[in-house]
Amino acid sequence: RKEVEQDPGPFNVPEGATVAFNCTYSNSASQSFFWYRQDCRKEPKLLMSVYSSGNEDGRFTAQLNRASQYISLLIRDSKLSDSATYLCVVRGSGYALNFGKGTSLLVTP
Amino acid sequence: DVKVTQSSRYLVKRTGEKVFLECVQDMDHENMFWYRQDPGLGLRLIYFSYDVKMKEKGDIPEGYSVSREKKERFSLILESASTNQTSMYLCASSSPLLNPGSQPQHFGDGTRLSIL
Repeated sequence: RKEVEQDPGPFNVPEGATVAFNCTYSNSASQSFFWYRQDCRKEPKLLMSVYSSGNEDGRFTAQLNRASQYISLLIRDSKLSDSATYLCVVRGSGYALNFGKGTSLLVTP
Repeated sequence: DVKVTQSSRYLVKRTGEKVFLECVQDMDHENMFWYRQDPGLGLRLIYFSYDVKMKEKGDIPEGYSVSREKKERFSLILESASTNQTSMYLCASSSPLLNPGSQPQHFGDGTRLSIL
């Protein structure tokens, strides 16, 4: 079983829609959680960290449920520029990160 | 701003060649990583290094080796390139001091390697 699992999508949504991505992780000792964004043929870049209490950054809301080992990302009022692949990322006790395979989002006019 | 620089964006090599992929970071980070990314498989860790001359195997080290002679430089070596090593290779670096809100790993632009 892969350590970090995501629905690969693709999610096709119209501009202005709200879309949610989910992610589960297998290692209950995982310590840090992140969402990265990767544009086509580009490197992954940090979108936001995910905190236990949940956190918001503009139109983006991330939540963590440690009991269920579940992370989510909510995007409100989708923009065309939100089209990308969203990677769920989990860090254990060491330095290495475990990446999900990514969820592809396409926002259409 | 952290800069992770990979020596080539695109590279074409032949089967059996020894291939060197270079990565340099300018933030004095202790940790450096090499990943490959393939469609449907996501990012997979090949090797990482947490200090000069130190290295640890990741999930898929077979067919690869690494070198970390200086803190800022981490090289990935394909000893005898094979067609199944055609992939996008990404280098990353990080500091062991992870402050809340800081980026856990900074990535280079990637090297798209084709083995013919």
